Amino acid sequence: AQRVTQPEKLLSVFKGAPVELKCNYSYSGSPELFWYVQYSRQRLQLLLRHISRESIKGFTADLNKGETSFHLKKPFAQEEDSAMYYCALSGSYGQNFVFGPGTRLSVLP
Amino acid sequence: DTGVSQNPRHKITKRGQNVTFRCDPISEHNRLYWYRQTLGQGPEFLTYFQNEAQLEKSRLLSDRFSAERPKGSFSTLEIQRTEQGDSAMYLCASSLEGAGAQHFGDGTRLSIL
Repeated sequence: AQRVTQPEKLLSVFKGAPVELKCNYSYSGSPELFWYVQYSRQRLQLLLRHISRESIKGFTADLNKGETSFHLKKPFAQEEDSAMYYCALSGSYGQNFVFGPGTRLSVLP
Repeated sequence: DTGVSQNPRHKITKRGQNVTFRCDPISEHNRLYWYRQTLGQGPEFLTYFQNEAQLEKSRLLSDRFSAERPKGSFSTLEIQRTEQGDSAMYLCASSLEGAGAQHFGDGTRLSIL
C-alpha cells in the first residue's frame, strides 16, 4: 500500500543553518513526489515536484529510488521558511494521492 | 481568477444532521479533489473527479459520504447523519492535469455539537 512518512513532527533550526526535512515513501510502481507547504494563515500550496527538478525559494529535493526517499533541503534557512511542510506522492496519472503527516519547521532568529 | 473557492468556511451542526459543502475549482482545471484533515495530520484523500467523472471513491470514509460534480465545474461533498468523528477541516483542490500541481482552497471547518 502507498504510504508517506515524515519522521520529525517538529524541526527547529537557527537562521542561516542548513535544513533537511526527511520524507520516505512506499509505493508499488513509479510515483510522482511532491513537497507542499503551508505558511501561517495561508492555503496549502505546492513547493516543488521531483519531475520539474526546480529549486524553489532555495529548496531542492532529490528522489532516491533506492532508499525510497525524497528529502527536502535548503543550505541556509530563513525565518520566512517557518511553516508546515508536507511530503506527498501520487501515481503517474494523479491517482492514489497520499500526504505525509507533515513536519513543522521553525527557523529561529 | 481568485483560485479555488470553498463554502461555507465554517459549518456548525448537531450530530445526526446532513451537511453539504461546495467547492468551485479554478475554471480551466479538469481535476478536482476532496480531502479531510484532522488536527496534527496531513490531508487525507477522499475522492477525485476528472471533469464530471468520479474516478476514485473507495477511500470515502463511509457510505455516509458522497460527492458530485454534475457539470464538471463545481463540486459538492455531502455527509449524511453526521457523527462527532466527522469534525475536521474538509479541503478541496483542483489541478490542470493528472499529476500536476494541486491548488487548494481555504477549506471548510466542520464542527459537530
